[in-house]
Amino acid sequence: AQSVTQLGSHVSVSEGALVLLRCNYSSSVPPYLFWYVQYPNQGLQLLLKYTSAATLVKGINGFEAEFKKSETSFHLTKPSAHMSDAAEYFCAVSDSGGGADGLTFGKGTHLIIQP
Amino acid sequence: DGGITQSPKYLFRKEGQNVTLSCEQNLNHDAMYWYRQDPGQGLRLIYYSQIVNDFQKGDIAEGYSVSREKKESFPLTVTSAQKNPTAFYLCASSTPGTGNYGYTFGSGTRLTVV
Repeated sequence: AQSVTQLGSHVSVSEGALVLLRCNYSSSVPPYLFWYVQYPNQGLQLLLKYTSAATLVKGINGFEAEFKKSETSFHLTKPSAHMSDAAEYFCAVSDSGGGADGLTFGKGTHLIIQP
Repeated sequence: DGGITQSPKYLFRKEGQNVTLSCEQNLNHDAMYWYRQDPGQGLRLIYYSQIVNDFQKGDIAEGYSVSREKKESFPLTVTSAQKNPTAFYLCASSTPGTGNYGYTFGSGTRLTVV
């Protein structure tokens, strides 16, 4: 069975500071990993995905994530936080290739940006 | 533009009622999914369908039912057997096996029991 752990239900950073959202996964096979962002009362938008190509993945809005097999981690980072980054972020894993049987999500991290 | 449409955006249910949430996609995706979102719980898979006229239970299927009569549509019925239905419901679709592993999500339906 696969699972995802997101460390920290709430993360607060100052505008312009580094954003680091942590995600650890467990999977019995090479995983496919995803980060999604959700704004209030909206659906989820894909930020980036790892599908066994490059270990450093660049996404939209200046975010990137690095796949580290030895640490079973896929942490999300952004060099400089912007007020518009305030949202809920979800890490997700699939071990079935195309994810035909659904993604497994972490419980989410609420990112707060302090002015 | 292609996408997923969920309706209604807000839905109120009385005790003992069945309600149906609509999900329609025009992305020509084969697979469709229903997730339930509760505060602090992340998203949990209710049902999924990889092909028309076929669907499988997810992790929390009890009290829910689905149908997949058309590729574009995957409605979810919340039955009276679901004891705690108040939640945010998200529909998603994808094209498994094509190399495009991204899921497209609808904007959600917030269901409240009154």
